[in-house]
Amino acid sequence: KQEVTQIPAALSVPEGENLVLNCSFTDSAIYNLQWFRQDPGKGLTSLLLIQSSQREQTSGRLNASLDKSSGRSTLYIAASQPGDSATYLCAAPGNAGNMLTFGGGTRLMVKP
Amino acid sequence: NAGVMQNPRHLVRRRGQEARLRCSPMKGHSHVYWYRQLPEEGLKFMVYLQKENIIDESGMPKERFSAEFPKEGPSILRIQQVVRGDSAAYFCASSRTSGMYNEQFFGPGTRLTVL
Repeated sequence: KQEVTQIPAALSVPEGENLVLNCSFTDSAIYNLQWFRQDPGKGLTSLLLIQSSQREQTSGRLNASLDKSSGRSTLYIAASQPGDSATYLCAAPGNAGNMLTFGGGTRLMVKP
Repeated sequence: NAGVMQNPRHLVRRRGQEARLRCSPMKGHSHVYWYRQLPEEGLKFMVYLQKENIIDESGMPKERFSAEFPKEGPSILRIQQVVRGDSAAYFCASSRTSGMYNEQFFGPGTRLTVL
């Protein structure tokens, strides 16, 4: 059974700082991993999807990496802005490859 | 191309009433997933459906909860005789394909409050 853990649970940084969010998963036989953003009281916005054949995926100031052998993924946010304040979730497919198992999220606060 | 649509966005029910949550997948997507986010908890998978078929309902409570995805129309998550513990945000996601390479896109969610 897939289990996903995110560290830290909460993070507060000053504007402009580069930061790294961590995600670990127990079943490394995954084919992809997704990172999402969730604003308070809102839905999920897909940020990045990394296929298992890729080691990195980039979108703007976001860079996600995937290391299947160690069961880890990281989301790197460059030059953070107050608008980046949100909860960031990573999700890995379950054994059947269909349902997603989510981590508990990292609640990010970027202070002006 | 509209995203995943869910309605209502907010739903208030009294204990014992029924709640019906609707989800229209993205155009071209025939796979639908329902997830639940309880207060202060993470998102948990409930059920996965394709048109007219339930593929995996391993995360759905055995009683009072049911889901369908008819040939025509939206997917429906139905909760009978709601209790306060059903208060949560219910998210629907859809994907074009299934299995190992599918990417799921999420709707805005329905926030159910049971009084």
